[in-house]
Amino acid sequence: SQQGEEDPQALSIQEGENATMNCSYKTSINNLQWYRQNSGRGLVHLILIRSNEREKHSGRLRVTLDTSKKSSSLLITASRAADTASYFCATDNYGQNFVFGPGTRLSVLP
Amino acid sequence: DAGVIQSPRHEVTEMGQEVTLRCKPISGHNSLFWYRQTMMRGLELLIYFNNNVPIDDSGMPEDRFSAKMPNASFSTLKIQPSEPRDSAVYFCASSLLGGSSYNEQFFGPGTRLTVL
Repeated sequence: SQQGEEDPQALSIQEGENATMNCSYKTSINNLQWYRQNSGRGLVHLILIRSNEREKHSGRLRVTLDTSKKSSSLLITASRAADTASYFCATDNYGQNFVFGPGTRLSVLP
Repeated sequence: DAGVIQSPRHEVTEMGQEVTLRCKPISGHNSLFWYRQTMMRGLELLIYFNNNVPIDDSGMPEDRFSAKMPNASFSTLKIQPSEPRDSAVYFCASSLLGGSSYNEQFFGPGTRLTVL
């Protein structure tokens, strides 16, 4: 099974609401990264959180990491229609491998 | 900087033909990655290079796939012969290597390959 797995697979919310996506992984990691992919485009890096960090913020994004549970969450606050995209987590196993999860498709309805 | 550049953006070919995908990484980056994305298998890392040297090609599906990086500003991914199951979007990404960890990667727009 995949190292990183996002949950839920798909999420629909209204503009202005918060969106929370989760990522679970299986092995120890050096860092975990979140990426966004708009339809038909390449992935765009959002945020990187290292294994010794528990929380990180970037604008309307908040990422948490719980290494004891091997899980991370991405929170997008005050969502906008432009946030509609697929969101992927990726885990770095100390340079041994770098694995993307299957992604969460977020739809923000106006 | 123009970002990661990939060509062609779209490629339609017939089964058995050779396909060559090209990538120009961001200037100054020393790591380059090739990915394949399909609905069924998601995003798969095929191979990556550090300082033009292939480090891990365990994701390359079979011998029909090969990748080269003759210099720091150019890489190719070749499929010979191509098969319909190779149809996918192929992404190239570059990064600045930092120790023994993967850092932020910058993705190109992808090449959509269709093998008939």
